[in-house]
Amino acid sequence: AQRVTQPEKLLSVFKGAPVELKCNYSYSGSPELFWYVQYSRQRLQLLLRHISRESIKGFTADLNKGETSFHLKKPFAQEEDSAMYYCALSGGATNKLIFGTGTLLAVQP
Amino acid sequence: EPEVTQTPSHQVTQMGQEVILRCVPISNHLYFYWYRQILGQKVEFLVSFYNNEISEKSEIFDDQFSVERPDGSNFTLKIRSTKLEDSAMYFCASSGTGPYNEQFFGPGTRLTVL
Repeated sequence: AQRVTQPEKLLSVFKGAPVELKCNYSYSGSPELFWYVQYSRQRLQLLLRHISRESIKGFTADLNKGETSFHLKKPFAQEEDSAMYYCALSGGATNKLIFGTGTLLAVQP
Repeated sequence: EPEVTQTPSHQVTQMGQEVILRCVPISNHLYFYWYRQILGQKVEFLVSFYNNEISEKSEIFDDQFSVERPDGSNFTLKIRSTKLEDSAMYFCASSGTGPYNEQFFGPGTRLTVL
């Protein structure tokens, strides 16, 4: 079965602290993994994808096929990082997205 | 920068009524999607649409649902006879050609069925 698991509903950290948002997936083939972010009152937007191996707004994510994980990391959290973060996978001919339940990141001043 | 737009932003309807949710995808995109998010739950895939036909649909997308691209710019989701459990945020998305293309999301329509 295709599934994305984000175990934490809420992650609260202080500004400047490291952040790790966990994501595990289950997929029989070779999926494409994404992190989407939704800031308050804004639409879902792509943060990063594993295939591009880039860092966006200081965030990185490495695909670990052995552990079937795609955790999102940032060494020093900023208040403007506060948002809902969704891990998603895409696979198959239509590239539909399968989302996790999301993690609300709250960065305290 | 081009964006996906959706109307209305909020729709309230009585159970059993038909609703049509409208989306205008980004103009040169070819793949279109509907997703929904029931309050407190995950975003779920409903249907994908390419070349004027449904390319994939989920178990949620039963006979009560239909999609259409009536005029080359709009992409609509119709729910024939709404149920209470259809209350959710409905998101439209579109993407360009090729594999692994980014899906751009609209702001969503909040559907409330009374």
